[in-house]
Amino acid sequence: GENVEQHPSTLSVQEGDSAVIKCTYSDSASNYFPWYKQELGKRPQLIIDIRSNVGEKKDQRIAVTLNKTAKHFSLHITETQPEDSAVYFCAAIREAAGNKLTFGGGTRVLVKP
Amino acid sequence: GAVVSQHPSRVICKSGTSVKIECRSLDFQATTMFWYRQFPKQSLMLMATSNEGSKATYEQGVEKDKFLINHASLTLSTLTVTSAHPEDSSFYICSASERGDTQYFGPGTRLTVL
Repeated sequence: GENVEQHPSTLSVQEGDSAVIKCTYSDSASNYFPWYKQELGKRPQLIIDIRSNVGEKKDQRIAVTLNKTAKHFSLHITETQPEDSAVYFCAAIREAAGNKLTFGGGTRVLVKP
Repeated sequence: GAVVSQHPSRVICKSGTSVKIECRSLDFQATTMFWYRQFPKQSLMLMATSNEGSKATYEQGVEKDKFLINHASLTLSTLTVTSAHPEDSSFYICSASERGDTQYFGPGTRLTVL
């Protein structure tokens, strides 16, 4: 089955700096990669996603890149703000295999004002 | 946007009792619902996949007789934790998918078994 590795597990950045989270996946057939933000005790919120036919996608301060050959994808947050502090999870899905999400281990991001 | 509700948000029960958690898609029909368990400071672990009108598919290591899942309609799935024990204490989260890709998560249920 799919295995998703996520790094780093914790990330502390100064407000205004950029944050980068990297994930690798094992199943070359995976074709959909969502990123979720989860605040303490709350539900994961989808913040951006990318499909395997696209190399990069951007939404305001958030961008995701995908390298299918290397089987890794990354989340980039620019101009970080204190409200970006949360746990971020990457995930991978092989849509032909029941659409089951496999999550990375999570990255706890702390943005220091 | 797609809204998923979950009830109750928090439950405390005695060891040996059963607890039912409901997951509803409020503004779309969910062809598939998923149940996850999340322990403190850990990632979400998929427990089972639920399709309307059919038996749930459980992940390896998840006891189907202990975690009963019913997906009676396209907007409702229930998870029943039977004979709960303290080690079942966790944050249980459901998600729902309309077209099979994007999953929208419920707010979660924090279960504490005394």
